[in-house]
Amino acid sequence: SQKIEQNSEALNIQEGKTATLTCNYTNYSPAYLQWYRQDPGRGPVFLLLIRENEKEKRKERLKVTFDTTLKQSLFHITASQPADSATYLCALDSAGKSTFGDGTTLTVKP
Amino acid sequence: DAGVIQSPRHEVTEMGQEVTLRCKPISGHNSLFWYRQTMMRGLELLIYFNNNVPIDDSGMPEDRFSAKMPNASFSTLKIQPSEPRDSAVYFCASSLDGGLFNEQYFGPGTRLTVT
Repeated sequence: SQKIEQNSEALNIQEGKTATLTCNYTNYSPAYLQWYRQDPGRGPVFLLLIRENEKEKRKERLKVTFDTTLKQSLFHITASQPADSATYLCALDSAGKSTFGDGTTLTVKP
Repeated sequence: DAGVIQSPRHEVTEMGQEVTLRCKPISGHNSLFWYRQTMMRGLELLIYFNNNVPIDDSGMPEDRFSAKMPNASFSTLKIQPSEPRDSAVYFCASSLDGGLFNEQYFGPGTRLTVT
């Protein structure tokens, strides 16, 4: 059956360090993959999209990689700040539909 | 643009009552998605529309759930009769070009509590 797994536990890091979140999937052939940020009491907010034929994409302090052989995406936040604390969701898309992972809660400590 | 608008923001109802959730997508977007989020099951896609037409409703849990999109600027998700296990946050999202290669914009959600 299809499955998406994100970091199984919450991630706590020190301000200024790089946070790395993982998204692994099985039995999918996604056309593209997206990362969203969700703050408590709010809806998810789109961050980055990477297509199946792209290896890496960057946006300011964010970087996403997509390895269709390993069936894995990595999401990096460099020079992390306390304001980056949130839950981050990956979403796999195929046939116009998005399936979301359960998310990883990141806490950046000052 | 005001973004995706959902109403009500909070709804508390008794088991057996009908619940109607409303969504106004971003103007110009032609796809609309209804999701449900719970701690146990995460964020689940219930149904999505493209150009006001339901494309995939395979995520709708059962016949008690129904969704309509009578025009490009309005959609409803109805639960009748409601049950305590329907308690969740319901999100509406919209996108351009069917969500294919495009991001989805989420509304603030409706927190539904069925007692």
